[in-house]
Amino acid sequence: SQKIEQNSEALNIQEGKTATLTCNYTNYSPAYLQWYRQDPGRGPVFLLLIRENEKEKRKERLKVTFDTTLKQSLFHITASQPADSATYLCALAYGSGNTGKLIFGQGTTLQVKP
Amino acid sequence: SQTIHQWPATLVQPVGSPLSLECTVEGTSNPNLYWYRQAAGRGLQLLFYSVGIGQISSEVPQNLSASRPQDRQFILSSKKLLLSDSGFYLCAWSTGTVDEKLFFGSGTQLSVL
Repeated sequence: SQKIEQNSEALNIQEGKTATLTCNYTNYSPAYLQWYRQDPGRGPVFLLLIRENEKEKRKERLKVTFDTTLKQSLFHITASQPADSATYLCALAYGSGNTGKLIFGQGTTLQVKP
Repeated sequence: SQTIHQWPATLVQPVGSPLSLECTVEGTSNPNLYWYRQAAGRGLQLLFYSVGIGQISSEVPQNLSASRPQDRQFILSSKKLLLSDSGFYLCAWSTGTVDEKLFFGSGTQLSVL
């Protein structure tokens, strides 16, 4: 069955450093992958989408890579700030048509210390 | 602009009681609608999705049901809650085009005791 794995251990880094989060998947060939941010007690918020034919995508201090051979996506936050502290979820589309069904990883919690 | 409303924010219900969670979307027409559940320390699990009024697809067998009585209204229900129904329930919508992102509501924390 399809499986998505994110590092369940919290990632603690110092302010100003680059945070790198990993998303691995198996038994799956997604057309695209998405990353979301979730704050405690809130719904996830969309950050970035990267397609299978794209190697890298950037948005301000965020960068996502997508390696379909390794079946892995890396999510980077450069010059991290305490406000970046949150749980980050990766998600892959499945199913046919435009139903928009996504399967989510369990998320990695990032803590940026001042 | 589009907004999604979900209520209540928190709910404590006894085992065996009924459930009704409501979600409405404003500022868009014919959205795809979704109900997800997030258990503690686990990823979001898709429960139901709908591509139109009265059209409901269930992703997992469970004690819950969903209905879409109006274009922008999505309801999650149960006749008798189980302890295992506890969790964080999230409603979401998308435009239904390829590659579209999901927009989530603020969620309902359900505790079944």
